[in-house]
Amino acid sequence: NAGVTQTPKFQVLKTGQSMTLQCAQDMNHEYMSWYRQDPGMGLRLIHYSVGAGITDQGEVPNGYNVSRSTTEDFPLRLLSAAPSQTSVYFCASSYDIRGVNGYTFGSGTRLTVV
Amino acid sequence: GQQVMQIPQYQHVQEGEDFTTYCNSSTTLSNIQWYKQRPGGHPVFLIQLVKSGEVKKQKRLTFQFGEAKKNSSLHITATQTTDVGTYFCAGRRSGGGADGLTFGKGTHLIIQP
Repeated sequence: NAGVTQTPKFQVLKTGQSMTLQCAQDMNHEYMSWYRQDPGMGLRLIHYSVGAGITDQGEVPNGYNVSRSTTEDFPLRLLSAAPSQTSVYFCASSYDIRGVNGYTFGSGTRLTVV
Repeated sequence: GQQVMQIPQYQHVQEGEDFTTYCNSSTTLSNIQWYKQRPGGHPVFLIQLVKSGEVKKQKRLTFQFGEAKKNSSLHITATQTTDVGTYFCAGRRSGGGADGLTFGKGTHLIIQP
């Protein structure tokens, strides 16, 4: 049981480049979400999904797109990378949005935009 | 919107001393969860509290949920170097319907040997 798998673990992008951060879970969780973590800012919600085909914006959605075509996968797309998007990105999943048994986090993607 | 405040932001303790972090919400919560993130790691779920006044223990860790369900605390007795990390609380607004968890900014625990 792998839990939540994020790839890549590290990435360096040039300003203006696009890329997709991958997130997959094998726990049949309906709820999936993306957070960014910056020093002193805690975990800020970017986008979330309560099931396949359903996505919604979180606190800081600008510059990011998501889709949820399957229960297992929830990729995060950076459309045109900016230095302000340098951060650590975490994907999290749970049985449902309430997180009854807690959110399970992936190991993170450390992104640097130069 | 709902806000969850955590204090202190940083806490330095000598190994063996106790540590407490506090979490306060602007709204009544249906539940509160606590997570631990080791340096360079990812948040890991520790526990959930649901009932008013609830107290739960995990070895040297004691978690409390306030009577009004608007605040919570995590207390570590006799800290060890393995306790180093950032502790986050996360709460869900009472009657929140489709709302998810709102995370506090975390308390960084630094232990000096």
